[in-house]
Amino acid sequence: EVQLVESGGGLVQSGGSLRLSCAASGFTFSSYVMHWVRQAPGKGLEYVSAISTNGDRTYYANSVKDRFTISRDNSKNTLYLQMGSLRAEDMAMYYCARYSGTYRGVDYWGQGTLVTVSS
Amino acid sequence: DIQMTQSPSTLSASVGDRVTITCRASQSISRWLAWYQQKPGKAPKLLIYKASSLESGVPSRFSGSGSGTEFTLTISSLQPDDFATYYCQHYDSSPYTFGQGTKLEIK
Repeated sequence: EVQLVESGGGLVQSGGSLRLSCAASGFTFSSYVMHWVRQAPGKGLEYVSAISTNGDRTYYANSVKDRFTISRDNSKNTLYLQMGSLRAEDMAMYYCARYSGTYRGVDYWGQGTLVTVSS
Repeated sequence: DIQMTQSPSTLSASVGDRVTITCRASQSISRWLAWYQQKPGKAPKLLIYKASSLESGVPSRFSGSGSGTEFTLTISSLQPDDFATYYCQHYDSSPYTFGQGTKLEIK
């Protein structure tokens, strides 16, 4: 069974940093592109970042570019999102998601981890 | 970036109704479109991929159609469990943007 379990969320002050983790199981993690998607309270889904299977290619939304860093450790089946210079508008539920390729798109999501930014 | 526009934003319907949600892309995305259902406090769940392919385990009352720039999600006969928010997402080229969502409410 495919499982994605996020952790690392919490309360952080504006300007602070936080590292999110996503532990993957039930599939060959190193074979899949992985995404981070966030959802601010009461709002829609926002595509945040993505990373290739071996980590050599990454994508960032303009809203997080130069502040967030996506990475992965295939030996640990874990995806990361290092978040810095956090702002009030970064407050959201952060989901990791598995991208199954051009045929199926994003097919599995974790349950999310909540990031709260206080001023 | 490709923009995705969903309509309507809110839809009120009754159990047994047939409903359709539309998603338009700002440029052609072939058939690289997925539909998700999200319930409060839960992660999105894949319903439809490649515009019209039904994800395993999803009831057959859900169907998707379209190609290019215009796509639809149809629920043939609404059930109580279907009241949720629905999102489209393209995966033609990065960034894989989402529509703004359609909240399906009980009339």
